[in-house]
Amino acid sequence: AQSVTQLDSQVPVFEEAPVELRCNYSSSVSVYLFWYVQYPNQGLQLLLKYLSGSTLVKGINGFEAEFNKSQTSFHLRKPSVHISDTAEYFCAVQTGTASKLTFGTGTRLQVTL
Amino acid sequence: DTGVSQNPRHKITKRGQNVTFRCDPISEHNRLYWYRQTLGQGPEFLTYFQNEAQLEKSRLLSDRFSAERPKGSFSTLEIQRTEQGDSAMYLCASSPRTRNYEQYFGPGTRLTVT
Repeated sequence: AQSVTQLDSQVPVFEEAPVELRCNYSSSVSVYLFWYVQYPNQGLQLLLKYLSGSTLVKGINGFEAEFNKSQTSFHLRKPSVHISDTAEYFCAVQTGTASKLTFGTGTRLQVTL
Repeated sequence: DTGVSQNPRHKITKRGQNVTFRCDPISEHNRLYWYRQTLGQGPEFLTYFQNEAQLEKSRLLSDRFSAERPKGSFSTLEIQRTEQGDSAMYLCASSPRTRNYEQYFGPGTRLTVT
């Protein structure tokens, strides 16, 4: 079975500062990796995904993530955050043979002036 | 695409009552998923359909829960004899045949059991 760990439950950051949200996964088979964002009272929106190929993937809203197989990590980064990035961010894993997503517990990104 | 829609958006019910939620996936998406999200947690998988066939159910889906997708389009999730522990956000997602790894989520139905 696969699992996802997001060690940081909350990350406070000032506007225009860089940010990294950490995600580690565990799986005995190859995986697809995803980051989703959830704004208050809304569903989840796909930010970016890693399926194969280049380990650096770029997503929407200026976010990017790097897949590191040896460290089983898929950390999310943004070089300069905006107030509108304040939201809950979820890392998720999907194995090649299963359609369900397994999510981490989420990281609350709080951007302030 | 008009997006995944869910109704109702909010439901308050008394313990012991039955409730039913509806999910309309993006047109022509053949896979439909249900997840449950409790406060402070990530979504947890409940079940999924490929067309009208229910292919997987989580252990979280007790016998009080039933899901259907009779014509391979919309789906319903029914909870019988609701308990306070059923209070959660119920999320629906759908994915297209050619990119079934991409799941598009609806806004969710928030259930409060009093």
